[in-house]
Amino acid sequence: SAVISQKPSRDICQRGTSLTIQCQVDSQVTMMFWYRQQPGQSLTLIATANQGSEATYESGFVIDKFPISRPNLTFSTLTVSNMSPEDSSIYLCSFRGLENIQYFGAGTRLSVL
Amino acid sequence: AQSVTQLGSHVSVSEGALVLLRCNYSSSVPPYLFWYVQYPNQGLQLLLKYTTGATLVKGINGFEAEFKKSETSFHLTKPSAHMSDAAEYFCATTSGGSNYKLTFGKGTLLTVNP
Repeated sequence: SAVISQKPSRDICQRGTSLTIQCQVDSQVTMMFWYRQQPGQSLTLIATANQGSEATYESGFVIDKFPISRPNLTFSTLTVSNMSPEDSSIYLCSFRGLENIQYFGAGTRLSVL
Repeated sequence: AQSVTQLGSHVSVSEGALVLLRCNYSSSVPPYLFWYVQYPNQGLQLLLKYTTGATLVKGINGFEAEFKKSETSFHLTKPSAHMSDAAEYFCATTSGGSNYKLTFGKGTLLTVNP
């Protein structure tokens, strides 16, 4: 299966700043996803990113807070904007493979002070 | 809408003992079911999947799961636990086809005692 890499792997940020997370797949994929995993919690889907169209956000997530880019079939970014301590989480990207299997990156561990 | 319930947020076993992690699903259509594992400070890795066909599916690292429609269950088992199995395990479901969104359970933390 394709390899997916994500960076940075972790970061510590000040409140009010923004962080952009990058996700790279080594082959072309149609659908990519961004998830949030809050401390001790399960994964929550933030949005689905298709190349050439606006990202589709889940309830409770908005573009102004989590802008997403999908410039081509191998790459996507998620920005966490105007961060607060409540944004401290693990952010994961994934892509959809055959049989609806999703393959995940290693995640970005974000701490906001 | 699909949903997944994982019974037990924390399971502790001795090395060499049977591992049983429970997952029940709710779906109005035949589900696709997955188990993922998350090792400390890592992303999610697919352990095994059920889509159609044989109801007993085998995955990596000696794990297997059985799809039981009558019980709406997809429990994960391993005959003999190893220290390296200590991790968080997530059950997930999607209805397949054009419905690609994964719904995850809350996870079960497995600890293995020497």
